[in-house]
Amino acid sequence: AQSVTQPDIHITVSEGASLELRCNYSYGATPYLFWYVQSPGQGLQLLLKYFSGDTLVQGIKGFEAEFKRSQSSFNLRKPSVHWSDAAEYFCAVGAGRFGAGTRLTVKP
Amino acid sequence: KAGVTQTPRYLIKTRGQQVTLSCSPISGHRSVSWYQQTPGQGLQFLFEYFSETQRNKGNFPGRFSGRQFSNSRSEMNVSTLELGDSALYLCASSSGQGVTEAFFGQGTRLTVV
Repeated sequence: AQSVTQPDIHITVSEGASLELRCNYSYGATPYLFWYVQSPGQGLQLLLKYFSGDTLVQGIKGFEAEFKRSQSSFNLRKPSVHWSDAAEYFCAVGAGRFGAGTRLTVKP
Repeated sequence: KAGVTQTPRYLIKTRGQQVTLSCSPISGHRSVSWYQQTPGQGLQFLFEYFSETQRNKGNFPGRFSGRQFSNSRSEMNVSTLELGDSALYLCASSSGQGVTEAFFGQGTRLTVV
């Protein structure tokens, strides 16, 4: 069965610091993986996706994610966080299976 | 291209009532999925409709139902509302052909009092 685990419920980073949000998945075949971001009171917006090919995927807003099959992970990274990145981030696998989300707080 | 439109944006209902939420997908998209989002349970999948047929269903009681029309617009109905049904209900549309990204609406905030 497909499942997604986001181990960190809440992360706080300082503005300008680097960011890594963790995502682990369980999937029987080659997974389709997604990262979404949700600002307060809004719907989800797609940041990036991995279907196949290059395991390092670039997304919008300066985010990237790396697919590591051996670790069943698809971690989201950003080299320098901006205050506007404060939001909730969701990892998803396949068609409609979402992780519990990681809430990001950015300190000035 | 217009995005996913959900109406209404906010709704207050009383316990025991029923409610219908509407979702208009992106033009050309044939798949509509519904999710319930609450602080305690996170984002939970309700059901997916594709070409007027329910294709997948989450683990929710029968009080939650949906349908999709020939123009791909979808409605979700919740009968006999309970306080615990208070949540943000999100609709997502996709082409429905294989696994593709979902495009989300802004959601309907339902409060049951």
